[in-house]
Amino acid sequence: AQSVSQHNHHVILSEAASLELGCNYSYGGTVNLFWYVQYPGQHLQLLLKYFSGDPLVKGIKGFEAEFIKSKFSFNLRKPSVQWSDTAEYFCAVMDTGRRALTFGSGTRLQVQP
Amino acid sequence: KAGVTQTPRYLIKTRGQQVTLSCSPISGHRSVSWYQQTPGQGLQFLFEYFSETQRNKGNFPGRFSGRQFSNSRSEMNVSTLELGDSALYLCASRRVPVGGNTEAFFGQGTRLTVV
Repeated sequence: AQSVSQHNHHVILSEAASLELGCNYSYGGTVNLFWYVQYPGQHLQLLLKYFSGDPLVKGIKGFEAEFIKSKFSFNLRKPSVQWSDTAEYFCAVMDTGRRALTFGSGTRLQVQP
Repeated sequence: KAGVTQTPRYLIKTRGQQVTLSCSPISGHRSVSWYQQTPGQGLQFLFEYFSETQRNKGNFPGRFSGRQFSNSRSEMNVSTLELGDSALYLCASRRVPVGGNTEAFFGQGTRLTVV
């Protein structure tokens, strides 16, 4: 069974600081990779996705992620966070055969003004 | 374009009762999946429906069931409710093009409280 690990459970940053959230997965087959965000009181929204091709993917709101196949990693980055980025971030993997998302435990990001 | 719509938003039920949750996918999306979100277990996959057939199932007891209608709308049912079933239940829809990959879009969820 595949699993997803998010190493940072709670991150506190000041505005303008850089962000990197780690995500590692365990599965040897073909996967699709995602980062979702859940703002307080809102539904899960897609930040970015990786299916194939360029391992550096750009998403909404200035977020990007890099897929490193040899490390089974898909880390999320943003050069300069804003107070409005305060939310919970979930890394997810979809086994292309099973079509079910496996989520990490989430990282709560708190950005202080 | 309307998003994924889940009803009701909130439910309070008593142990032993059953409950039915509803999900209307984005127009044109034929795959509907259900997830359970709890503070302790996080987000866990329940099942996926496509063309009115359950295609995949997560590791949940048989008390959790679902169905999909010809218009792609889906319902999930939980029978003999237990306190541990208290959770946010999320529905996600996908377009599923032939030979392609697509992302899942989530609804606001139904917050179920079992007392």
